[in-house]
Amino acid sequence: EDQVTQSPEALRLQEGESSSLNCSYTVSGLRGLFWYRQDPGKGPEFLFTLYSAGEEKEKERLKATLTKKESFLHITAPKPEDSATYLCAVQASSGGSNYKLTFGKGTLLTVNP
Amino acid sequence: ETGVTQTPRHLVMGMTNKKSLKCEQHLGHNAMYWYKQSAKKPLELMFVYSLEERVENNSVPSRFSPECPNSSHLFLHLHTLQPEDSALYLCASSQDAGVETQYFGPGTRLTVL
Repeated sequence: EDQVTQSPEALRLQEGESSSLNCSYTVSGLRGLFWYRQDPGKGPEFLFTLYSAGEEKEKERLKATLTKKESFLHITAPKPEDSATYLCAVQASSGGSNYKLTFGKGTLLTVNP
Repeated sequence: ETGVTQTPRHLVMGMTNKKSLKCEQHLGHNAMYWYKQSAKKPLELMFVYSLEERVENNSVPSRFSPECPNSSHLFLHLHTLQPEDSALYLCASSQDAGVETQYFGPGTRLTVL
């Protein structure tokens, strides 16, 4: 069974204090790993898709990296508007559904001014 | 309208009511999804439609009945729900079912009394 574990559950940072969020996964062949941002009461907003170990993608203050067992979302010099829940999801390439995204519970990030 | 829209945004219903949730995607995608998001739990895939054909039913109780009349519209018909069905119901779409990135709507917050 595919599993996704995100840590920490919650993270509180001061504005400008860089940090990383972790997404550990177990999947029978990885087709893709996805990062989303979710604000309270809203749907998840797509950030990145990573397909293979060693791949990196950047967007503004965010950088996502991927290894064979985990992914990191690095946040450089965060601002209060980066406060949100960050979700990680994986899609398997073999066994079971080809359509299913398995999500983690998310990391709630709070950036204080 | 752009992206994925959902109506209503909030719904309160009694256990004996019948109601429907509506989702519309304006992205020209071929696949649509229903997810359930409960507090402290990961997103759970409920149904997947590809070119208006249901391709996934993730062991969802029969009190939830999906309908996809065309590739742009998706409904979730609700009847005789239980209080534990209270959650945020999210619709998503992707170009095709598979590894394609899924784009989410804002969700319908459902409360079952």
